[in-house]
Amino acid sequence: TQLLEQSPQFLSIQEGENLTVYCNSSSVFSSLQWYRQEPGEGPVLLVTVVTGGEVKKLKRLTFQFGDARKDSSLHITAAQPGDTGLYLCAGVPGTYKYIFGTGTRLKVLA
Amino acid sequence: GAGVSQSPRYKVTKRGQDVALRCDPISGHVSLYWYRQALGQGPEFLTYFNYEAQQDKSGLPNDRFSAERPEGSISTLTIQRTEQRDSAMYRCASSLMTGGNYGYTFGSGTRLTVV
Repeated sequence: TQLLEQSPQFLSIQEGENLTVYCNSSSVFSSLQWYRQEPGEGPVLLVTVVTGGEVKKLKRLTFQFGDARKDSSLHITAAQPGDTGLYLCAGVPGTYKYIFGTGTRLKVLA
Repeated sequence: GAGVSQSPRYKVTKRGQDVALRCDPISGHVSLYWYRQALGQGPEFLTYFNYEAQQDKSGLPNDRFSAERPEGSISTLTIQRTEQRDSAMYRCASSLMTGGNYGYTFGSGTRLTVV
């Protein structure tokens, strides 16, 4: 069974602080995606990374795919209350089925 | 449509009844997926369609669960003889094509409660 473990599971920080969320697996993925989910809604795609070592930036969010394509990180700079939500990584081990991570629940306090 | 539409949004049913959950994907999206999500956790794969063909149903928990997409567009997930353990958020997602480069667009889900 392929598992994607995310850490931390919960994170509560003050507005303006920086944070990093990790997504780790023993399996290799052909690509990896990050989603953010708000209460009552479905996950919304943030980014897709496909190349080992790839770094992508989306405003204050920086995503990195590990060299071995087994892990990824999401770094948020100067967090804002609007960043609050459930962050999910999802790996594609083959061609179509996404395996979702265990989730990181982030709360940013004003 | 503009997004993935799921209906009903909420469904309460008595144990032993059958339920049908509907998913209307984004127009033109080839791939359709059904997931089940527990509160605060990541979605768990149930089944996948490429056009009308069900390519993978390995995530369906047992034979009470079935899904179809007869015309390659709208899909229905059916649960027969519901049990309390079936209570969950059921999410549908679609993508333009199959492959890891194509992200999912999720619907808002159907929250099923079996009493």
